[in-house]
Amino acid sequence: SQLAEENPWALSVHEGESVTVNCSYKTSITALQWYRQKSGEGPAQLILIRSNEREKRNGRLRATLDTSSQSSSLSITATRCEDTAVYFCAKNNYAQGLTFGLGTRVSVFP
Amino acid sequence: DPKIIQKPKYLVAVTGSEKILICEQYLGHNAMYWYRQSAKKPLEFMFSYSYQKLMDNQTASSRFQPQSSKKNHLDLQITALKPDDSATYFCASSQEGGRNSGNTLYFGEGSRLIVV
Repeated sequence: SQLAEENPWALSVHEGESVTVNCSYKTSITALQWYRQKSGEGPAQLILIRSNEREKRNGRLRATLDTSSQSSSLSITATRCEDTAVYFCAKNNYAQGLTFGLGTRVSVFP
Repeated sequence: DPKIIQKPKYLVAVTGSEKILICEQYLGHNAMYWYRQSAKKPLEFMFSYSYQKLMDNQTASSRFQPQSSKKNHLDLQITALKPDDSATYFCASSQEGGRNSGNTLYFGEGSRLIVV
């Protein structure tokens, strides 16, 4: 079963604008992670937010977590062309490491 | 410098053949994983190893066999290749495995396999 789903499927913004990707999950978590995958590369972690945290920041990135609605969001401010990538949320799944959603493709245009 | 090395980066194989995907990590991690990524599908977990021992296997087919000759190696042998095996295979590692409280996974760049 898919334990994490991002929405929307794809987003396009112009450089300098902000963009937000949402994620919903269906089982309890101890932590939720956001990963970014650029074309031709493996995923790379952006933010890890634990279940007792409501917000976490990393530079231009801000993640929120709402355990009551089982949802999370990742916002990117002042976007740059190099932010173009697929963004995944992922939950820890014990021996399996992480379970990923389908991802949201974010395209940033000049 | 890449800390997780996967070889080959690209591979074309004939149906029915056998291939080995190589993965070495230089992060000093104790857990290693294989994931598979196909078009329009999420990253799918395949195997996880911790201290060179199998932790979990979610691959239905025995044609996929992980091989761990050293602590920092986890190769993936695929036999009797089929066109449906075409995908990008990612190796990953984490400091420790088997915890549910926030393991960060570090991924290699992937091995893209095309079976014709």
